[in-house]
Amino acid sequence: AQSVTQPDIHITVSEGASLELRCNYSYGATPYLFWYVQSPGQGLQLLLKYFSGDTLVQGIKGFEAEFKRSQSSFNLRKPSVHWSDAAEYFCAVGMNYGGSQGNLIFGKGTKLSVKP
Amino acid sequence: DSGVTQTPKHLITATGQRVTLRCSPRSGDLSVYWYQQSLDQGLQFLIQYYNGEERAKGNILERFSAQQFPDLHSELNLSSLELGDSALYFCASSVEPSPRNEQFFGPGTRLTVL
Repeated sequence: AQSVTQPDIHITVSEGASLELRCNYSYGATPYLFWYVQSPGQGLQLLLKYFSGDTLVQGIKGFEAEFKRSQSSFNLRKPSVHWSDAAEYFCAVGMNYGGSQGNLIFGKGTKLSVKP
Repeated sequence: DSGVTQTPKHLITATGQRVTLRCSPRSGDLSVYWYQQSLDQGLQFLIQYYNGEERAKGNILERFSAQQFPDLHSELNLSSLELGDSALYFCASSVEPSPRNEQFFGPGTRLTVL
């Protein structure tokens, strides 16, 4: 069955420090992978996506993610975190076959806190 | 602003009641998706519509139903409400039902069942 695992429920980093949020997926076909961010009281905003090609993808707000097929991972990174990055981050895999095309399967999320 | 609107923002009701959540997709989007976000289950796909037709069902209870109207807005109906139905309900829309098309999420409707 398809699934997404985000092993870290909550991460705290200092402002200016680097960040890596982990995501592992289980999917039988070529995965379509996404990272979304949810600020308090807000909907989800797409940070970046991977479909094929270059395994390092750039997104908005200075985020990037690297797809590693051998590790079934799609980790999100940012070289220098800003206080405004405090939010909850969701990794997702998009269904790309059959009647379920387009549906997203989400991980449980990682809440990021930023220390001044 | 994603362009997806959801009403109401907040809804407080009692067990056993029925409520309707409304979603208007972005202009030009034909696909609508409903998701439920709860503390214990996380974000779960409920149901998908494309151009008025139901396309896929996820973990949607039989007490829940939805439809997409000719003007493409969608409604999620929740009946015989239980305490466990308290959650944030998101609607998302995309041009077509393909993972290549970005899903734009609305701000959500927070449902509290007392």
